[in-house]
Amino acid sequence: DADVTQTPRNRITKTGKRIMLECSQTKGHDRMYWYRQDPGLGLRLIYYSFDVKDINKGEISDGYSVSRQAQAKFSLSLESAIPNQTALYFCATSDLRGEGQETQYFGPGTRLLVL
Amino acid sequence: GESVGLHLPTLSVQEGDNSIINCAYSNSASDYFIWYKQESGKGPQFIIDIRSNMDKRQGQRVTVLLNKTVKHLSLQIAATQPGDSAVYFCAESDFNFNKFYFGSGTKLNVKP
Repeated sequence: DADVTQTPRNRITKTGKRIMLECSQTKGHDRMYWYRQDPGLGLRLIYYSFDVKDINKGEISDGYSVSRQAQAKFSLSLESAIPNQTALYFCATSDLRGEGQETQYFGPGTRLLVL
Repeated sequence: GESVGLHLPTLSVQEGDNSIINCAYSNSASDYFIWYKQESGKGPQFIIDIRSNMDKRQGQRVTVLLNKTVKHLSLQIAATQPGDSAVYFCAESDFNFNKFYFGSGTKLNVKP
């Protein structure tokens, strides 16, 4: 979805390096999420944020940190990258529709390789 | 903890046939379920959703069925087309939509 953009789209880094993945959205949504996807596994939640002042850990937050710089921007950092963080990373935004249902909109993903 | 999984990792169907993709979940407190489609090189895309107070919901060529008794969810695609080839994920959430839990996905191959 072009309304959710991620940079970079691909990144190769070395063990121990600090890197940042960025996500921007033009949908005006309050809720934003970071997931990682590994082959044969479903998306796993790293961090989520329901507004600029609200940051929550997901199921696999160790080794990651996030920053919600504005409603439209949510960045994911790997403080000291390790090879098992090699994965496909997705940012998502969501809104609550009137009938009490939530739709998540995903960015195109960032493919990260840690050597 | 919750687990959301799929019975079949790969499904091959003939163009024009109907496809059925299945998903099992374990958390009886889950209130909301979604199916996503992920094409190669792209992020997941919302297809259809259903609340736990419903058994069936229909969209354009797609139907989601929910069986709460056996904690089973299915996605039916009518008249499957080559453009339907993708990986399909189910996801579940609780009433507060705090977190979504995703299955590992089923790859749908549509043969011409």
